[in-house]
Amino acid sequence: DARVTQTPRHKVTEMGQEVTMRCQPILGHNTVFWYRQTMMQGLELLAYFRNRAPLDDSGMPKDRFSAEMPDATLATLKIQPSEPRDSAVYFCASGLRRRDSLATNEKLFFGSGTQLSVL
Amino acid sequence: AQSVAQPEDQVNVAEGNPLTVKCTYSVSGNPYLFWYVQYPNRGLQFLLKYITGDNLVKGSYGFEAEFNKSQTSFHLKKPSALVSDSALYFCAVRASHDKIIFGKGTRLHILP
Repeated sequence: DARVTQTPRHKVTEMGQEVTMRCQPILGHNTVFWYRQTMMQGLELLAYFRNRAPLDDSGMPKDRFSAEMPDATLATLKIQPSEPRDSAVYFCASGLRRRDSLATNEKLFFGSGTQLSVL
Repeated sequence: AQSVAQPEDQVNVAEGNPLTVKCTYSVSGNPYLFWYVQYPNRGLQFLLKYITGDNLVKGSYGFEAEFNKSQTSFHLKKPSALVSDSALYFCAVRASHDKIIFGKGTRLHILP
């Protein structure tokens, strides 16, 4: 079965360190989303790419977070420097937007997430 | 502002009883609405969607959802709950630029 792959599954780091999370979307998908899940805020949208171009990153703290898609098979989310309040589970999801479809992004496929703990 | 609200943090239902998980939305234009489910230590899985057509949509695992335009609601339902339905359920809406935004989630407990 095709699936979204996220690495690492778990990351424990110290405050101030750089953190890089990686996502391999499903082959052929052209949209990628990054979400952050916490108990208090639920599932927050951080960034959204279509055809590797960033379309919306308004939910992402710009001073320390950055998201890129160096190629169609890899999306990255970086935090530098990390802070304890960044502790959360980070999910990547991919989908397929078809020009001829009314239901664009009708179904997202999620990875298993990266559980980040910043001490 | 475009948003999704799930007014209940937790819903408890006895096994075999019908269940409802509530969702209301605020979006300009015609809404595209979704339900996803999350099991422990897993990513979200797609359950069902409403794009257009019948107000009652059917999805995976016997779930269905009813779209009500006048009440701007999209409640998730199942006629007879199973213990295995216990999970975290998210309502979502397609917002501007096709981005998908989610509610905070509702934890469903099915009691044996």
